[in-house]
Amino acid sequence: QVQLVQSGAEVKKPGASVKVSCKASGYTFTGYYLHWVRQAPGQGLEWMGWINPNNGATNYAQQFQGRVTMTRDTSISTAYMELSGLRSDDTAVYYCARESNGGFHFWGQGTLVTVSS
Amino acid sequence: DIVMTQSPDSLAVSLGERATIHCKSSQSVLYGSSNKNYLAWYQKKPGQPPKLLIYWASARESGVPDRFSGSGSGTDFTLTISSLQAEDVAVYYCQQYYSPPPTFGPGTKVDI
Repeated sequence: QVQLVQSGAEVKKPGASVKVSCKASGYTFTGYYLHWVRQAPGQGLEWMGWINPNNGATNYAQQFQGRVTMTRDTSISTAYMELSGLRSDDTAVYYCARESNGGFHFWGQGTLVTVSS
Repeated sequence: DIVMTQSPDSLAVSLGERATIHCKSSQSVLYGSSNKNYLAWYQKKPGQPPKLLIYWASARESGVPDRFSGSGSGTDFTLTISSLQAEDVAVYYCQQYYSPPPTFGPGTKVDI
């Protein structure tokens, strides 16, 4: 069965960077785009960008341009999302999600990133 | 970017009663050549990832109870829960994937 397993919670200081991983299993990793979506406390869902695991192509939401980098390692079927220049308003749960046949059918369990001095 | 709006912001429904949530997109998400609406609905519960309920505006995801249904076309869409159960208490989001970036509505909180 399809599974996306994310790395554990992180606590970071303002200005630092965080790198969240998303390990895929149960399907061909290079066959589907992976998206990153976040939800800040009390807020809605915010799309951050996608990566094509087949060729590493990426597309980032404008508000994260210059701060986010999405990469992948096909040898271990894992995608990564790195966010730099962290601010307190980056405190959120970050999700990876697999796109297929309309919508995001599979999601990781989420990774809480807390930014606090 | 396509802006998604939802109404109401929240609603309270008695157990066994119908819940109806509306979603509107700032431009059509109907792709003419396929006649498909690029619109999905998700259920979000605290501490859990979003769960896809409906895609292509009306296709029910595998395993989703048939009390959940989606309808609409173009710019106006509806999610209906025909007989609300206690486990349906959640926030519901619509999402368009017609035009990048994919955008979500602000969410509708459903309570008993």
